[in-house]
Amino acid sequence: QQQVKQSPQSLIVQKGGIPIINCAYENTAFDYFPWYQQFPGKGPALLIAIRPDVSEKKEGRFTISFNKSAKQFSLHIMDSQPGDSATYFCAASISGSARQLTFGSGTQLTVLP
Amino acid sequence: DAGVTQSPTHLIKTRGQHVTLRCSPISGHKSVSWYQQVLGQGPQFIFQYYEKEERGRGNFPDRFSARQFPNYSSELNVNALLLGDSALYLCASSPGVGNQPQHFGDGTRLSIL
Repeated sequence: QQQVKQSPQSLIVQKGGIPIINCAYENTAFDYFPWYQQFPGKGPALLIAIRPDVSEKKEGRFTISFNKSAKQFSLHIMDSQPGDSATYFCAASISGSARQLTFGSGTQLTVLP
Repeated sequence: DAGVTQSPTHLIKTRGQHVTLRCSPISGHKSVSWYQQVLGQGPQFIFQYYEKEERGRGNFPDRFSARQFPNYSSELNVNALLLGDSALYLCASSPGVGNQPQHFGDGTRLSIL
């Protein structure tokens, strides 16, 4: 019930391509869905987040698409650059006294120059 | 402003020993959460503290404990270390609890020999 399933495990795109990372969840009580970017040796950095009352959110080159009925959400990176090469994690949580983030297993993205 | 700071950055221990990890949240943040990230996996929630009280606990054994101090800094303690405790331990802070984003530090890399 608490799992967040993320795919693909790894992804290689050319510079300028649009990598898409997908996540699916089971627990319908989840109401906050952030995406984090992690570089080697660093902690996860918050990229963008969405709540289930909207179907899409854009911040710069990053877009989240959210499908509440399918219990799925995805991250699109427009005009990807070699500097975007990192591991990306989706997560989900339930509003309340403990904002416990449940993370996906991660996607290692490589953007070739 | 300084981000979340964690110390030490790296630590090597042997089985059966005890370890204390420290975290200073972003100035003004009153909530601290701890996560364990095993190599190749997403972070897993351990504890959340707010105003010095435990607000959430993940599925970890009682060997794991934590506390939060009046200045909102926090310690994570792990007793009777096992080889499986080798991981990156991440601290995240947020202004409060509820619908507020969590910001992560770069973690403490704990290796158990």
